Amino acid sequence: EVQLVESGGGLVQPGGSLRLSCAASGFTFSSNWMSWVRQAPGKGLEWVANIKEDGSEKYYVDSVKGRFTISRDNAKNSLCLQMNSLRAEDTAIYYCARSRGFVDWGQGTLVTVSS
Amino acid sequence: DVVMTQSPLSLPVTLGQPASISCRSSQSLVSSDGNTYLNWFQQRPGQSPRRLIYRVSKRDSGVPDRFSGSGSGTDFTLKISRVEAEDVGVYYCMQGAHSWTFGQGTKVEIK
Repeated sequence: EVQLVESGGGLVQPGGSLRLSCAASGFTFSSNWMSWVRQAPGKGLEWVANIKEDGSEKYYVDSVKGRFTISRDNAKNSLCLQMNSLRAEDTAIYYCARSRGFVDWGQGTLVTVSS
Repeated sequence: DVVMTQSPLSLPVTLGQPASISCRSSQSLVSSDGNTYLNWFQQRPGQSPRRLIYRVSKRDSGVPDRFSGSGSGTDFTLKISRVEAEDVGVYYCMQGAHSWTFGQGTKVEIK
């Protein structure tokens, strides 16, 4: 059974940083693209970033370019999202998802950016 | 950027009746590899999204056959042949041909 478990969310002040993690199991992590998708409270879904199997390609939505960094550790079956210079509009539930087609999703972790 | 436009945004349906959601993209979703990257997702209240359909019409494992996807180019449709109570939630289309963008979502509720 595929499992994706996000962690690292919380309350952070504007301008602050946060590092999200996603622990993967139940599939061959190193053979899958991985993605982050977010959902602001009461709003729709927004793709944030994704990373190729070996980490050689990374893509970001324009609104987070230069502030967020996606990375992975295939030895630990782990996906990360380093978020810097956080803004109020980054407040959302952050989901990790398997593949560029978002086949499987975690339960999400809530990030709140507020003073 | 590719814009995905869903309609309607709210869809009250009678149990056992069909439902249809439209999704239009601002550009063709046919990729250079010949595939059309249009997916549909269901998000039940309080749950994470779940993929139902990929590449326009392919149902994911475990998805009831009352769900079907169709379309081509820029116009796509998700149909539920007979709505059941467990189908209540928000449905999103998503394109993966030019980066990745979601539609606004369509809320399906029971009349």
